Amino acid sequence: QQQVKQSPQSLIVQKGGISIINCAYENTAFDYFPWYQQFPGKGPALLIAIRPDVSEKKEGRFTISFNKSAKQFSLHIMDSQPGDSATYFCAATAGGTSYGKLTFGQGTILTVHP
Amino acid sequence: GAGVSQSPRYKVAKRGQDVALRCDPISGHVSLFWYQQALGQGPEFLTYFQNEAQLDKSGLPSDRFFAERPEGSVSTLKIQRTQQEDSAVYLCASSLAGANEQFFGPGTRLTVL
Repeated sequence: QQQVKQSPQSLIVQKGGISIINCAYENTAFDYFPWYQQFPGKGPALLIAIRPDVSEKKEGRFTISFNKSAKQFSLHIMDSQPGDSATYFCAATAGGTSYGKLTFGQGTILTVHP
Repeated sequence: GAGVSQSPRYKVAKRGQDVALRCDPISGHVSLFWYQQALGQGPEFLTYFQNEAQLDKSGLPSDRFFAERPEGSVSTLKIQRTQQEDSAVYLCASSLAGANEQFFGPGTRLTVL
């Protein structure tokens, strides 16, 4: 059962542009929504995360927007750089007995052209 | 300090062979997770340990998969009688008790011929 759906599968932007990746979830028990960045041959690394009590969180060039009623959240990368070229995964987890087990989206391959 | 380390980084096995994949979590991290990442897909949960206790193994795809963490630190994921569909990257992650942030290792890429 796919509980987190991510789009687009791939994204090409020019240097300096805005990259936007979207995710939708089904499980209303989810209460923590991280985004991970993965380079080839490396493990995922946490970029930024949000909880459903806020609608937006910004860290540097990375912003998460969260819409609890629509069960959607998105990652915005401002002033995209070639070094941002990587695969991005959204994820979600529920507290309590879920103890942090992550459910991942399918991933978005981002390419930033110089 | 050192991050999560995994060994070997690459493993090639013939179908039917047994393999053992090792994970060294960050020192002091109580929680340890194993995930399987198929090519072009997101990681999928396999199993979870809190210290030495395996609290959830619901993601293990078959009884050929077995994981242990006998002393609450290093963990081993064992796959018996490997099949071609077991080919994937196996990721280990650790976290502090009660913390949401998981730190991932570089993974072990398993190829079953």
